[in-house]
Amino acid sequence: DVKVTQSSRYLVKRTGEKVFLECVQDMDHENMFWYRQDPGLGLRLIYFSYDVKMKEKGDIPEGYSVSREKKERFSLILESASTNQTSMYLCAYGGDSTDTQYFGPGTRLTVL
Amino acid sequence: EDQVTQSPEALRLQEGESSSLNCSYTVSGLRGLFWYRQDPGKGPEFLFTLYSAGEEKEKERLKATLTKKESFLHITAPKPEDSATYLCAAAYYGGSQGNLIFGKGTKLSVKP
Repeated sequence: DVKVTQSSRYLVKRTGEKVFLECVQDMDHENMFWYRQDPGLGLRLIYFSYDVKMKEKGDIPEGYSVSREKKERFSLILESASTNQTSMYLCAYGGDSTDTQYFGPGTRLTVL
Repeated sequence: EDQVTQSPEALRLQEGESSSLNCSYTVSGLRGLFWYRQDPGKGPEFLFTLYSAGEEKEKERLKATLTKKESFLHITAPKPEDSATYLCAAAYYGGSQGNLIFGKGTKLSVKP
C-alpha cells in the first residue's frame, strides 16, 4: 500500500525559529515534492527532488530550503519562520512515467 | 499561460442528486489529467488519471471523463460521505517530469 508519512500533523512555532518538516516514503521512488496549500490559492509547489542530493526550485521557493540525504527522506526547512509561512504543508512522491503523485497526510504549521 | 480551472467553486447537493464537476485546462500538450479527493485537514487522495480524449474511468459513484479541453467528474446518486473537496491537476509536455498544475478545487457538500 502507498505510504507517505510526515513528521507532525500540527506544529506551532515562533517567528524567527528554524523549522524542519520531514517526509518519508517507503516506495523507493526517486521523485519527491513539497507543496503548500492555502485557501483560495490552491496547491503551490515549493521544491522537488528527483534523486538523492538533487533538488529543483518550484514556483515559490523563497524562504525555504530542502535536504535529501537519503532516497526515502525529503526535508523542508524554513530558515527563519515568518507569519506568512503559516499554511498546510504537503509532501508527495511519485511523478514517474505515469506522473501520478501520492500525498502524505499534511502538516498544519502555525507561525506566531 | 498553462492553467487549470475548476468550476463551480462549491456545490451543494441533496443525497441522491447526481451532478458533475468541471475541470478545464489550457496546457501546451496534455500528458495526463488527474483527479484527487481531499477531506478537511488531510492530504489529497488519488482517484483517477486520464491520458487521452474520450477516456473514461469509474470508481463506485464517480466517473471521470476527458475531452481535448476539459474533464468532468460525474457523481451519481451521491451520499453524504462523498462530501469533500475534489482537485484536478494536469501534467503537460514541456514541464518537468512529475510537475503538476493544480486547480483550486470544488468543495462538494452532500446533505442527507
